[in-house]
Amino acid sequence: QQKVQQSPESLSVPEGGMASLNCTSSDRNFQYFWWYRQHSGEGPKALMSIFSDGDKKEGRFTAHLNKASLHVSLHIRDSQPSDSALYFCAANTNTGKLTFGDGTVLTVKP
Amino acid sequence: GGIITQTPKFLIGQEGQKLTLKCQQNFNHDTMYWYRQDSGKGLRLIYYSITENDLQKGDLSEGYDASREKKSSFSLTVTSAQKNEMAVFLCASSIKAGGYEQYFGPGTRLTVL
Repeated sequence: QQKVQQSPESLSVPEGGMASLNCTSSDRNFQYFWWYRQHSGEGPKALMSIFSDGDKKEGRFTAHLNKASLHVSLHIRDSQPSDSALYFCAANTNTGKLTFGDGTVLTVKP
Repeated sequence: GGIITQTPKFLIGQEGQKLTLKCQQNFNHDTMYWYRQDSGKGLRLIYYSITENDLQKGDLSEGYDASREKKSSFSLTVTSAQKNEMAVFLCASSIKAGGYEQYFGPGTRLTVL
């Protein structure tokens, strides 16, 4: 069983809309959770990290972590066409090994 | 800021050939990583190096070797290229191992004929 599972596989939202991405882990050793974004032809780039229960907001992006259920989500408000990309949830322990989910393809339609 | 450079951008080899991918970072980061990404899927860790003289196997190390020549460079060798390992290989670095952000290069796309 994959240790980091993401849903949905793909998501389409209108410009200005809210996009919600989900991630569940099966390993309670994970301490840090990350959201990375990858545009076509580029390497992934970190959007934000979260390691405490609750919400963390950075601009239009809000991450939410529930450690009890090992569930983390990412919400993008006022979505823009430039937000269209592959979004990865990733988690690691203090060893540095980052485990990635398979990603969610987000399409923002003008 | 810094940058991660991966060479070559595209690598074409024959089945059974030994192939080497190179990565350089100017962040002065201690830790470097090699990942493999299959057709838009998630990344899987091949090798990582916590500090200059360290080498650790990841989840997908079979069929690969790695070398940390100096703090700024980390190479990956495909020991015998197979058609089922055509993928994008991504190099990353972080200031240290642990819960630190990883910075990625643009990748090397491997095609095996």
